[in-house]
Amino acid sequence: EAQVTQNPRYLITVTGKKLTVTCSQNMNHEYMSWYRQDPGLGLRQIYYSMNVEVTDKGDVPEGYKVSRKEKRNFPLILESPSPNQTSLYFCASRRLGGGQETQYFGPGTRLLVL
Amino acid sequence: GESVGLHLPTLSVQEGDNSIINCAYSNSASDYFIWYKQESGKGPQFIIDIRSNMDKRQGQRVTVLLNKTVKHLSLQIAATQPGDSAVYFCAESPMDSSYKLIFGSGTRLLVRP
Repeated sequence: EAQVTQNPRYLITVTGKKLTVTCSQNMNHEYMSWYRQDPGLGLRQIYYSMNVEVTDKGDVPEGYKVSRKEKRNFPLILESPSPNQTSLYFCASRRLGGGQETQYFGPGTRLLVL
Repeated sequence: GESVGLHLPTLSVQEGDNSIINCAYSNSASDYFIWYKQESGKGPQFIIDIRSNMDKRQGQRVTVLLNKTVKHLSLQIAATQPGDSAVYFCAESPMDSSYKLIFGSGTRLLVRP
């Protein structure tokens, strides 16, 4: 089954404690992306990657890092989380050159930073 | 499941009626538009898209209309069903980057039985 998986699905942490949210896709997609979703703001893109070792900033990259060492994985790293990073996070993947109908979203990770 | 917003505009329709969800987009240079459906506890799911050289596109039970003059996009759902209850987002893609998506804030659709 084609899917994007994220772990953990729910996380409560404290300010300053480094955390990583993993994202993995089984469709051999080149393009992967991270979004955050906040009430009243829709989804905003954090970072994206066009292929292994190729990453670029989205609209709201501050406070986040990503890496793309393997094609299937695209972890989101919060080196020093702050309360304003409390949000719902979605990972997505897509075939490069494919239309948006080929973009799959993960189930989301709910993060609470105290 | 995860809530997607506590203060979303809400459209309530009777099962079997047609639904129209509207979206105003921001960038007159955007040339590609998409509608997504997000059910509770799930990620967004592609519904239908349209390019700026078109003003209407039809799918199965859904139609997207694009009015570039007033930067307005609408999603029409025919014979709305309970399974259509979800939050609907429009998204626009700038002409210079088809890999960037700018999402609207969403509309919640509630289908009354």
